[in-house]
Amino acid sequence: GAGVSQSPSNKVTEKGKDVELRCDPISGHTALYWYRQRLGQGLEFLIYFQGNSAPDKSGLPSDRFSAERTGESVSTLTIQRTQQEDSAVYLCASSSPGQKLFFGSGTQLSVL
Amino acid sequence: GQNIDQPTEMTATEGAIVQINCTYQTSGFNGLFWYQQHAGEAPTFLSYNVLDGLEEKGRFSSFLSRSKGYSYLLLKELQMKDSASYLCAVRDLTGANNLFFGTGTRLTVIP
Repeated sequence: GAGVSQSPSNKVTEKGKDVELRCDPISGHTALYWYRQRLGQGLEFLIYFQGNSAPDKSGLPSDRFSAERTGESVSTLTIQRTQQEDSAVYLCASSSPGQKLFFGSGTQLSVL
Repeated sequence: GQNIDQPTEMTATEGAIVQINCTYQTSGFNGLFWYQQHAGEAPTFLSYNVLDGLEEKGRFSSFLSRSKGYSYLLLKELQMKDSASYLCAVRDLTGANNLFFGTGTRLTVIP
C-alpha cells in the first residue's frame, strides 16, 4: 500500500485478555517502530526493528508486551493479560535507513 | 540514553510568530526531527536537521546547534490550523539510529 497501515483502528477488550495489534509498513522500509501514546502525552518508545539486526526492545514496559516482525514486512505487537493502564493509542511507523518516519493512524486500545 | 525537553504548552496569536524550543542530551546524536500532530491524528513530518544552522520551508523553519544540544521550530504568520502538538525527536546513532521523542508542545493559536 501507499502508507503505513495499522489494524484494528479501535480495540476494546476486557482486563486480563490478550490483544494483538498489526502493522503493515511501507514496502521497502527496513526500519519499523512501535510507540505508545497516552491521552495528552508524548510518544513513548516501545520497540524498534532494523533489517535483520536484533530488535531494540528496551522500551517495552513489562514482559506482558512482545513484538515480532516477519522479515521486512508485517509486525505484530502483542499485549498479554491486559491492564487498564495499557489503554492508549499504539502507533507504528516505518522508514528507510536514516530517513524520516511515516506513521500509521494508530490503534486505539481501551481496556475495561 | 536520551533526555529531550520541550515546553508543555504555548499560546500565540493568529498572524504572529512563535518559537518552540527543544533541548536534548544523547550519547550519539545523528539528526533531529520535528513532527506536527493534530488531535486524534498521527504525527506528520515537518523538518529534519543534522548539521548546524537554519532550515527554512515555507512558514516553518527549524534551527539546530549541536554544540548546545538545542533546536527550535519557528512558525511564522500563524494560522488557526497550526493549533497542534509539535514533537521534537532525536536520532541516536548508538541505538542503531533509533528515534526518541520528547513529550511534545501543545500550541494553541487564538484569534
